[in-house]
Amino acid sequence: GENVEQHPSTLSVQEGDSAVIKCTYSDSASNYFPWYKQELGKGPQLIIDIRSNVGEKKDQRIAVTLNKTAKHFSLHITETQPEDSAVYFCAETHNAGNMLTFGGGTRLMVKP
Amino acid sequence: DSGVTQTPKHLITATGQRVTLRCSPRSGDLSVYWYQQSLDQGLQFLIQYYNGEERAKGNILERFSAQQFPDLHSELNLSSLELGDSALYFCASSVGGLGGYEQYFGPGTRLTVT
Repeated sequence: GENVEQHPSTLSVQEGDSAVIKCTYSDSASNYFPWYKQELGKGPQLIIDIRSNVGEKKDQRIAVTLNKTAKHFSLHITETQPEDSAVYFCAETHNAGNMLTFGGGTRLMVKP
Repeated sequence: DSGVTQTPKHLITATGQRVTLRCSPRSGDLSVYWYQQSLDQGLQFLIQYYNGEERAKGNILERFSAQQFPDLHSELNLSSLELGDSALYFCASSVGGLGGYEQYFGPGTRLTVT
């Protein structure tokens, strides 16, 4: 079955530094890779996504890269701010499937 | 605010009881997904409905069932509750019924079984 591994499980950075979270997946049919941010007491919030026909996507301070050959994708956050502190989840699915398979999550702490 | 609403926010009940969780999708979305989030299992897909029909099933126990009504809201029914069912239950919605459509999550229902 599908499996998504996410690393690291916790990440502490200084405000203004960059943060990188990596995920690997096993299903070669996967072609849609969203990232979610979950703050305490809230539901996961979609922050960026990438499809398999694209290698990189950027939205202001966040970017996602995808390497389909190696089956891994990464979230990059630049110029981190305290409000970036949250748990981040990667996920994957494919057109024939309907459910998202999530990674285990990364707790990001940005120290002011 | 994602536009997905869930009620109730919190639910405390005893073992053996039955509860119903409710979800209203974003305006225009036809598909509703239910996910369970627990400390040991992470975020796991339970079931999906698309325009009133069951579309996919994940790791959903036989004690759990769901339905989507003509107005597209959905209910998740959990029966014969056990302590291990304590978790956050999230509903998500998307425009389409297949993978690759953005899924937007509601605020969740925190279920505590005592």
